[in-house]
Amino acid sequence: QLQLQESGPGLLKPSETLSLTCTVSGASFSSTAYYWGWIRQPPGKGLEWIGNGYFGGTTYYNPSLQSRVTISEDTSKNQFSLRLSSMTATDTAVYFCAVSIQLGTFDIWGQGTMVTVSS
Amino acid sequence: DIQMTQSPSSMSASVGDRFTITCQASQDINTHLNWYQQKPGKAPQLLIYDASNLQAGVPSRFSGSGSGTDFTFTISSLQPEDFATYYCQHYNNLVSMFTFGQGTKLEIK
Repeated sequence: QLQLQESGPGLLKPSETLSLTCTVSGASFSSTAYYWGWIRQPPGKGLEWIGNGYFGGTTYYNPSLQSRVTISEDTSKNQFSLRLSSMTATDTAVYFCAVSIQLGTFDIWGQGTMVTVSS
Repeated sequence: DIQMTQSPSSMSASVGDRFTITCQASQDINTHLNWYQQKPGKAPQLLIYDASNLQAGVPSRFSGSGSGTDFTFTISSLQPEDFATYYCQHYNNLVSMFTFGQGTKLEIK
């Protein structure tokens, strides 16, 4: 069974770039999952899809974040990553990585990592 | 863009009650609708996929129905561990976009 773990800084200053990595264990996610992605959740609010990627490099982004976000995979390390530039306080959220075994869903999730943007 | 409207945003109920929430799509989405449960401080867990299919390991008291624009999620008899927030989610495979409903917080009465 795949397990996912997010890693990265918990505190950023406004205008900085967020870099998060999701490390997959338990199996090769490139041979198990349809796609992988990132979702975030501001404190006390709902879930927001950030973007997802298919193996081989095709990526899709939430239009509201597209100008600031880049996601990528490194199948040799069984990892995938998120970069979100020009961070502001409104980007403060729990960031989840997730993969899809069941097409159309995100059915395996990391535990989430809290990212706070504050000067 | 397809919008997902989930209702109600919150409700209270008792153990043993039947619990039903709805999710409405702004246009026909066939059965491309999933339901998740999220407990405080935890990641969401997939319960129902493709509108009515129970994810492996999920108790049979959970069910989903609907197609087109109107969908329903039901818990037949609430258990103490079911008090959580529930989200619907649509996957638009034409443009590879995911949209979540606003969520329904279920609290103990």
